[in-house]
Amino acid sequence: GAVVSQHPSWVICKSGTSVKIECRSLDFQATTMFWYRQFPKQSLMLMATSNEGSKATYEQGVEKDKFLINHASLTLSTLTVTSAHPEDSSFYICSASMGSSYNSPLHFGNGTRLTVT
Amino acid sequence: AQSVAQPEDQVNVAEGNPLTVKCTYSVSGNPYLFWYVQYPNRGLQFLLKYITGDNLVKGSYGFEAEFNKSQTSFHLKKPSALVSDSALYFCAVRDTSFQKLVFGTGTRLLVSP
Repeated sequence: GAVVSQHPSWVICKSGTSVKIECRSLDFQATTMFWYRQFPKQSLMLMATSNEGSKATYEQGVEKDKFLINHASLTLSTLTVTSAHPEDSSFYICSASMGSSYNSPLHFGNGTRLTVT
Repeated sequence: AQSVAQPEDQVNVAEGNPLTVKCTYSVSGNPYLFWYVQYPNRGLQFLLKYITGDNLVKGSYGFEAEFNKSQTSFHLKKPSALVSDSALYFCAVRDTSFQKLVFGTGTRLLVSP
């Protein structure tokens, strides 16, 4: 149980285009999903918290107009990198919690490696 | 604000030997601590968590972690390392005020045959 599917696993796009990454909880409902970004040999940086049916909460320094997050249902959240540039190249990982309690572990997708040329 | 420190960038251990990956935390209130493992180009896999109760927590793949409140530590341990344990390990903390997890910088574990 507690499977989070993230798609695509990798994507290459040209500078200026937009890329959408999907995150699905396959066997549970996730009222909250989290989007992380991971740079090479670095830790995970939380970008935003995605709540079903409401606007995402972005961390300080994350451009909400550039990284659009939509959480339309209890099993799907999407991250759209708009007008991507080479500096947006990174490994993006989504996660979801089975419960709303703070002691519920997060379950992670396998990540999406974005390369912007 | 809560934080986690992993003082070692890399830990090297021979197969069959015990391993320890260190983690210390800082949080107001009761800590909720987690360990995750990441294999190359993959997401994170949950290993174990400490919420309350016994200070020694047992998790997946033979890993365990010891919660020490006085030292604010939550070190990950395994009695006998396997080559397949080689991966990146993250300690994380979540306090009662926030749902989000804050991760340490990660420790790369390298188990040699």
